[in-house]
Amino acid sequence: SQQGEEDPQALSIQEGENATMNCSYKTSINNLQWYRQNSGRGLVHLILIRSNEREKHSGRLRVTLDTSKKSSSLLITASRAADTASYFCATDLSGGSYIPTFGRGTSLIVHP
Amino acid sequence: NAGVTQTPKFQVLKTGQSMTLQCAQDMNHNSMYWYRQDPGMGLRLIYYSASEGTTDKGEVPNGYNVSRLNKREFSLRLESAAPSQTSVYFCASSEAQGSTQYFGPGTRLTVL
Repeated sequence: SQQGEEDPQALSIQEGENATMNCSYKTSINNLQWYRQNSGRGLVHLILIRSNEREKHSGRLRVTLDTSKKSSSLLITASRAADTASYFCATDLSGGSYIPTFGRGTSLIVHP
Repeated sequence: NAGVTQTPKFQVLKTGQSMTLQCAQDMNHNSMYWYRQDPGMGLRLIYYSASEGTTDKGEVPNGYNVSRLNKREFSLRLESAAPSQTSVYFCASSEAQGSTQYFGPGTRLTVL
């Protein structure tokens, strides 16, 4: 089944630094979503970017989508300790069932 | 609004026992989903219900059954639990397929 793959698997940074996570996928998509999961909790939706969009912003989050490279990136600027979480991308296939398929996630640790 | 609620939060079963995981949403969403999350595996879709009265298999449906009781409720049943079903189970809902998913807090299931 279609699956986005996040890279890196783990990322450790200092508070105030920027964090960049990447997601690659295999075939054409309708949209791509990013979710955050705090330890022991459910996933929380961050941002959705459609296949005809190239960049979206939400607060300190910036998401880009390059359909020619089949990849997306999530940038968190001026990171905070509270950003410590796992981040997942979810893609749904163009012409498919519109059910998002999740990658394995990037584990982000932000040190105070 | 409570969003998506799941019961129970924790459960320990013996091999061969049965149980039902309950999920309810109060957002009037049409679509509901059941995922399992294992370490290092991301989320895998078990079953989903695109709308009231319909259910479909996901990536890993074996050993599970579901019931879309009404628009609000979507239950997951393990008829004969196996140790391989030890996992964290998440329920999610969305207004429609392909739109933002809202997740419950999860059920941590251990099968001995």
